[in-house]
Amino acid sequence: NAGVMQNPRHLVRRRGQEARLRCSPMKGHSHVYWYRQLPEEGLKFMVYLQKENIIDESGMPKERFSAEFPKEGPSILRIQQVVRGDSAAYFCASSPETAIYGYTFGSGTRLTVV
Amino acid sequence: LAKTTQPISMDSYEGQEVNITCSHNNIATNDYITWYQQFPSQGPRFIIQGYKTKVTNEVASLFIPADRKSSTLSLPRVSLSDTAVYYCLVGEGAGNNRKLIWGLGTSLAVNP
Repeated sequence: NAGVMQNPRHLVRRRGQEARLRCSPMKGHSHVYWYRQLPEEGLKFMVYLQKENIIDESGMPKERFSAEFPKEGPSILRIQQVVRGDSAAYFCASSPETAIYGYTFGSGTRLTVV
Repeated sequence: LAKTTQPISMDSYEGQEVNITCSHNNIATNDYITWYQQFPSQGPRFIIQGYKTKVTNEVASLFIPADRKSSTLSLPRVSLSDTAVYYCLVGEGAGNNRKLIWGLGTSLAVNP
């Protein structure tokens, strides 16, 4: 009964490269959420997805960031042409259709841009 | 969206009861109060959620006074493994948790 699985745990990219972060939701969960946590800051909501649909992307930067949750496979958060300011911990969470008891978070991917 | 205020840090000793109070003066009628726990290098973990009065589960209790302008998370008999950051969040309904505003939380240190 695995929880939310994120990989990789650590990702190092040079400025200008692309970063791909993967998230497999908890079994039985159909809703996925991505958050970003900058050093010394709280979590900030980025995007909410259901299978093949983006429901709410109000927290996503307008450029370079995209997310998907295909019919098959994990959810992907993609950051193109990374910059140093993208260095952060990116957390994925999932929930069943009705998130009465909060979300289940993964352990995060720590992105470092050098 | 309601803003919350909680202490930046707290110290305690093993076996003590720890109470972390959160202020949310502009809480709205539809808002719920949710607490999460986060260990270093891990994602947050849901602890408890409530709307009014008192909620208790196997991990903690949540006390909410009648005016709902504050809430207190109570951890009974803490152990070293309870050392973590605790976040108080306030937001509309249980189904809109993604809109919750995360602050810096309270860093709890449990000492032997």
